[in-house]
Amino acid sequence: AQSVTQLDSHVSVSEGTPVLLRCNYSSSYSPSLFWYVQHPNKGLQLLLKYTSAATLVKGINGFEAEFKKSETSFHLTKPSAHMSDAAEYFCVVSGGGGYNKLIFGAGTRLAVHP
Amino acid sequence: DAGVIQSPRHEVTEMGQEVTLRCKPISGHDYLFWYRQTMMRGLELLIYFNNNVPIDDSGMPEDRFSAKMPNASFSTLKIQPSEPRDSAVYFCASTNRRAGGNYEQYFGPGTRLTVT
Repeated sequence: AQSVTQLDSHVSVSEGTPVLLRCNYSSSYSPSLFWYVQHPNKGLQLLLKYTSAATLVKGINGFEAEFKKSETSFHLTKPSAHMSDAAEYFCVVSGGGGYNKLIFGAGTRLAVHP
Repeated sequence: DAGVIQSPRHEVTEMGQEVTLRCKPISGHDYLFWYRQTMMRGLELLIYFNNNVPIDDSGMPEDRFSAKMPNASFSTLKIQPSEPRDSAVYFCASTNRRAGGNYEQYFGPGTRLTVT
């Protein structure tokens, strides 16, 4: 069975400092992994995805994530936070086994302070 | 492409009333998903369709919930009768596995339902 754990429910950073949002996954298959972002009162937008190609994945708005199979992790990073990055971030693993189901983490709320 | 379209964006109704949420997936997508998001339970998959056929409805909370997909470009989620605990944001998402996709789903803006 697939599952995903986001290790922090809230992260607070200052503008211009690095961002690290942590995610661990469990999967019986070679997983597809995603990070989605949700701004207040908005839908979910795909930030980036890992699909068994390069282990370092670059996404939109300067975000990137590294797939580490040995650690079963897929942490999201950004070198320098902007105020506009304040949002909720979801780590997601595909259901695998021929299904299209996505398994969502509980989410990490990122606050960015001036 | 217009993306996934949902209507209405906001719905306020009284307990006991019927509520119908609507979704138009991205053209050419053959999978459609309905999710519910609440503070307490986060994002939950309610049901998904493939080629207009319901595949997995194990997430539908009760018989008061039903979903249909009469054609490739339209789906509805109905709650009858509605209850205050149904208050949530309901998202529709779609994807195209035929393109050899990697299960990336495209989400609509959501319908915020309030049942009083």
